[in-house]
Amino acid sequence: SYEVTQPPSVSVSPGQTASITCSGEKMGDKYTWWYQQKPGQSPVVVIDQDKQRPSGIPERFSGSKSGNTATLTISGTQTMDEADYYCQAWDSSTVVFGGGTKLTVL
Amino acid sequence: QVQLVQSGAEMRKPGASVKVSCKASGYTFTRYDINWVRQATGQGLEWMGWMSPNRGDTGYAQKFQGRVTITRDTSINTVYMELSSLTSEDTAVYFCARGQGDGYDVYYLDYWGQGTLVTVSS
Repeated sequence: SYEVTQPPSVSVSPGQTASITCSGEKMGDKYTWWYQQKPGQSPVVVIDQDKQRPSGIPERFSGSKSGNTATLTISGTQTMDEADYYCQAWDSSTVVFGGGTKLTVL
Repeated sequence: QVQLVQSGAEMRKPGASVKVSCKASGYTFTRYDINWVRQATGQGLEWMGWMSPNRGDTGYAQKFQGRVTITRDTSINTVYMELSSLTSEDTAVYFCARGQGDGYDVYYLDYWGQGTLVTVSS
């Protein structure tokens, strides 16, 4: 079955740029979505189809892709961005999530 | 506005089954799939399967094949997820989420329910 891989954790200082990667075979041929999940809450889409930002998502969130790696970038990270982030792909009629990355802002 | 409202927390003994509901409102129920995703405490998101409320078609993750059943009642805009032969490993929060996209290249989960905690313990 298809798998995508994320780093378990990323740390960033407030105001700095955080980057979270998501890698998978043939990722370059598939769209990637990114979800933010804060403790006790349901996930929220922050990046749609690699790089689109849904309505209401701050401009500091951006997405990109190079080869088989997708990247979520948070510029000028704020303490409110501390959360778990999941990438998601669609493969063979299956939703595939990465293992999640805990972003710590300190 | 789109809302997915799930049933309340459940507690079951090992070997039993549980059925969680997801009531949709704010959009045309039959136009979008409903997916089920679970999350054990401190763990990541795990996709379980989907249903098309229009046709009743379903698709399940291989891990849950034979143990999960997703059904719907279009008269009340509700989708159900039933998981059988429960073990302690099934203790998790179960989310329903609406599927968005063409189902070819584009498919993601745009609206989520609030989650339902299922606890399996003897």
